[in-house]
Amino acid sequence: EADIYQTPRYLVIGTGKKITLECSQTMGHDKMYWYQQDPGMELHLIHYSYGVNSTEKGDLSSESTVSRIRTEHFPLTLESARPSHTSQYLCASRPSLGRQETQYFGPGTRLLVL
Amino acid sequence: GENVEQHPSTLSVQEGDSAVIKCTYSDSASNYFPWYKQELGKRPQLIIDIRSNVGEKKDQRIAVTLNKTAKHFSLHITETQPEDSAVYFCAASIGSGGSNYKLTFGKGTLLTVNP
Repeated sequence: EADIYQTPRYLVIGTGKKITLECSQTMGHDKMYWYQQDPGMELHLIHYSYGVNSTEKGDLSSESTVSRIRTEHFPLTLESARPSHTSQYLCASRPSLGRQETQYFGPGTRLLVL
Repeated sequence: GENVEQHPSTLSVQEGDSAVIKCTYSDSASNYFPWYKQELGKRPQLIIDIRSNVGEKKDQRIAVTLNKTAKHFSLHITETQPEDSAVYFCAASIGSGGSNYKLTFGKGTLLTVNP
């Protein structure tokens, strides 16, 4: 089924650890996005990509990095996790062709840094 | 860049009443306005959207209106039900005709429908 997948769904990790949050979509979308969201609160864009080998920083400063080596895959990495990184991370994607501006969201990864 | 203001931040209504959430945007070049519903613990899901060449769009109990001159758009939910309880986000985008493929979101409205 065409969808956006995020793993892990929940992660508890200690301060200083390196973590990678995975995002994959099987919809053939070119554009992908990472948002940070505290539960029920505002969505903050932290990274986006318009295609393979294209990555940009979003509106919210973030200590994370992203890569886009394959169209369907857009992982987010934290080199050294801190308690301030505790949040929910949502991946999204949208198609390029036509007037399809709608973004579709993945189920999210809830991160707790101790 | 674009700025989207959303009001109210919380809204409580009785089941069967109507609910209205309003958003304003700053960039007159914006031409795509989606609304997302996020239930507790779930991902945001698109419930309705409108483009700037249309003034109103309706889908069963939900409708969206757009006033380009005033740069504001609103979500209307009629005959509210407890399952409408969620956080609702408005957003604005310049759309695929330009170079900006980002959505700018409002801060969200927590809607509670009391039985």
